[in-house]
Amino acid sequence: DQQVKQNSPSLSVQEGRISILNCDYTNSMFDYFLWYKKYPAEGPTFLISISSIKDKNEDGRFTVFLNKSAKHLSLHIVPSQPGDSAVYFCASRQNTGNQFYFGTGTSLTVIP
Amino acid sequence: GAGVSQSPSNKVTEKGKDVELRCDPISGHTALYWYRQSLGQGLEFLIYFQGNSAPDKSGLPSDRFSAERTGGSVSTLTIQRTQQEDSAVYLCASSLFGRSYNEQFFGPGTRLTVL
Repeated sequence: DQQVKQNSPSLSVQEGRISILNCDYTNSMFDYFLWYKKYPAEGPTFLISISSIKDKNEDGRFTVFLNKSAKHLSLHIVPSQPGDSAVYFCASRQNTGNQFYFGTGTSLTVIP
Repeated sequence: GAGVSQSPSNKVTEKGKDVELRCDPISGHTALYWYRQSLGQGLEFLIYFQGNSAPDKSGLPSDRFSAERTGGSVSTLTIQRTQQEDSAVYLCASSLFGRSYNEQFFGPGTRLTVL
C-alpha cells in the first residue's frame, strides 16, 4: 500500500524556468514532509522539509507547498538549473512513528 | 567530513547464499535506518535503530532478513538464503536524534544482485 505517491516518473524543464514536482499522500496523520534529491550512484540528500502546521517553506530557489485538505505536496524550483537534474523523492512520517514513507521518485531533467 | 559509508558498493550472489551488508553511520548519530529500493519502486523502510532502544523491525519483509548495530555505531544487514526478489539497492541512513525534522543522511547504497 503506497502511502506516498509521485505520479510523474519524469519531468523536463528548460533552464531558467520553474520546475514543479508533485506528491500525494493518503495518511492524514503525517506530521512531517521532506524532499530528497538523488544523483546516480549516490544516496539521497535532504533538500527541504515542512511541518504539517505550515503550508509553505522556502529555502533559496526551493519552495515546498503543503495542501493538507488535498493531501498534496509540491516542490517548486525557480529558476531551474542544469545541476538540478536528478531524481526527487518526497517522504512523510508521523511524529509518533519511526518509519518514513517515500514516493517512487520523479526524474527531473533541466535542459540548458 | 566523513559521511555515511556502505560496503560493498556492489554484490552479486547466487540464489540461496547468505549476504552481509555493512553501514558506517556518521559519528555521533544515534539513529540508523535501513531501506531498500527495488527497480521502479520508492524507498522501502526495513529497520530503525535508536541508541540502546530495541530496534523497530516492522519493515523487514521476512525472517530471512536481520540486522544488528554494534556499539551504537556500525550496522550489518544480513539476508539469509537470498532470493531473486531480494535484488535491490540497499540504503543506510543516519540522523542526529532530536533534530526537528530528523533529517537523514544517506549512504551511497549497496546494489545487490541475486542470480
